[in-house]
Amino acid sequence: KAGVTQTPRYLIKTRGQQVTLSCSPISGHRSVSWYQQTPGQGLQFLFEYFSETQRNKGNFPGRFSGRQFSNSRSEMNVSTLELGDSALYLCASSPASTSGSGETQYFGPGTRLLVL
Amino acid sequence: LAKTTQPISMDSYEGQEVNITCSHNNIATNDYITWYQQFPSQGPRFIIQGYKTKVTNEVASLFIPADRKSSTLSLPRVSLSDTAVYYCLVGDIADKLIFGTGTRLQVFP
Repeated sequence: KAGVTQTPRYLIKTRGQQVTLSCSPISGHRSVSWYQQTPGQGLQFLFEYFSETQRNKGNFPGRFSGRQFSNSRSEMNVSTLELGDSALYLCASSPASTSGSGETQYFGPGTRLLVL
Repeated sequence: LAKTTQPISMDSYEGQEVNITCSHNNIATNDYITWYQQFPSQGPRFIIQGYKTKVTNEVASLFIPADRKSSTLSLPRVSLSDTAVYYCLVGDIADKLIFGTGTRLQVFP
């Protein structure tokens, strides 16, 4: 099976712009989660989508949003970019075959965003 | 939500066995314990997952005592390529998985 893919891999934007990142989960996986990783804050959970619905959300401002399509592909959008949004954005998918514990997440390579 | 505590860093030499212990005193009955490995500028990679006792796969072993308040990831005979950050997680997606600071393992020749 192909792994989780993310596009683009690298991106440079300026403050105030908006950006959309894309994630294609492993075939058959229905849950997609997004994380932000920075040297100072580590890996932080943004949100999780399951069956086109946001199921969980981390503590990020409303400038960060996402959506999931019927084929489980997901996009993440950041509006009005700030310098502090520079980070590695990671997408992870899981089968979500049950709602209980034991779900393993498989991560993509990430999109490195630089805000100037 | 179970919080985990791991050593910030560890050093080892090639060929040695490395054991990284994670504390999770507030682990819930339904929680699993999962370990991930991350190399710089890459996404974390699943290593191993367990619920109790011992789990072994082709790359590592996971030891979980009866009270489940801690777990130990064991990497047999590490190589330079095992230099990475290792994260211990407890819970599942419903708990908004939280990655701690992880353990930075440095393997020396």
